[in-house]
Amino acid sequence: GQQVMQIPQYQHVQEGEDFTTYCNSSTTLSNIQWYKQRPGGHPVFLIQLVKSGEVKKQKRLTFQFGEAKKNSSLHITATQTTDVGTYFCAGLDNYGGATNKLIFGTGTLLAVQP
Amino acid sequence: DSGVTQTPKHLITATGQRVTLRCSPRSGDLSVYWYQQSLDQGLQFLIQYYNGEERAKGNILERFSAQQFPDLHSELNLSSLELGDSALYFCASSPRLRNEQFFGPGTRLTVL
Repeated sequence: GQQVMQIPQYQHVQEGEDFTTYCNSSTTLSNIQWYKQRPGGHPVFLIQLVKSGEVKKQKRLTFQFGEAKKNSSLHITATQTTDVGTYFCAGLDNYGGATNKLIFGTGTLLAVQP
Repeated sequence: DSGVTQTPKHLITATGQRVTLRCSPRSGDLSVYWYQQSLDQGLQFLIQYYNGEERAKGNILERFSAQQFPDLHSELNLSSLELGDSALYFCASSPRLRNEQFFGPGTRLTVL
């Protein structure tokens, strides 16, 4: 079945350092979404990328969708303690159908030391 | 606050028992999704309902079932519970014609 892997599993940074997490799918995705889950919380939608090669920015966060629509990345510039949490990519599997089935990646836990 | 509500927040039960988890989607959202999150399996899609009808199924066990009612709230029924069913169960909903999902606070199930 379709699998979505993320690396690294865990990253510990000093506040102010940059952070990047990478997401790779075993199959081509119709689009990719990113979610953030704070410790003890629930996943919160951050963004959706649809087009091949698409790049979107949200303040210090930059999201990229690969040309082949099989990989994606999230880069955070100058991390802050509020960035702590697990970042998940999620591939949308709805080719040929009306479902919005999300295949979540394995997640990257970001720890930020003040 | 995402607008999705789930009850109960915590549930502790014994092996072999049956429980029901409840979810109310955001106002106006027709789609409801159920996910299981455990330490070793990550966030796993279980099932999706759209306006009362089952739309997609993931790796949902036969011991688990769900339904969506006319008022759009949904229930996830877990029966013959095993220790390995201990996990966080999230419900999510999405707006019509959009893909992003809004998650509820989750129900933490502990099977002893």
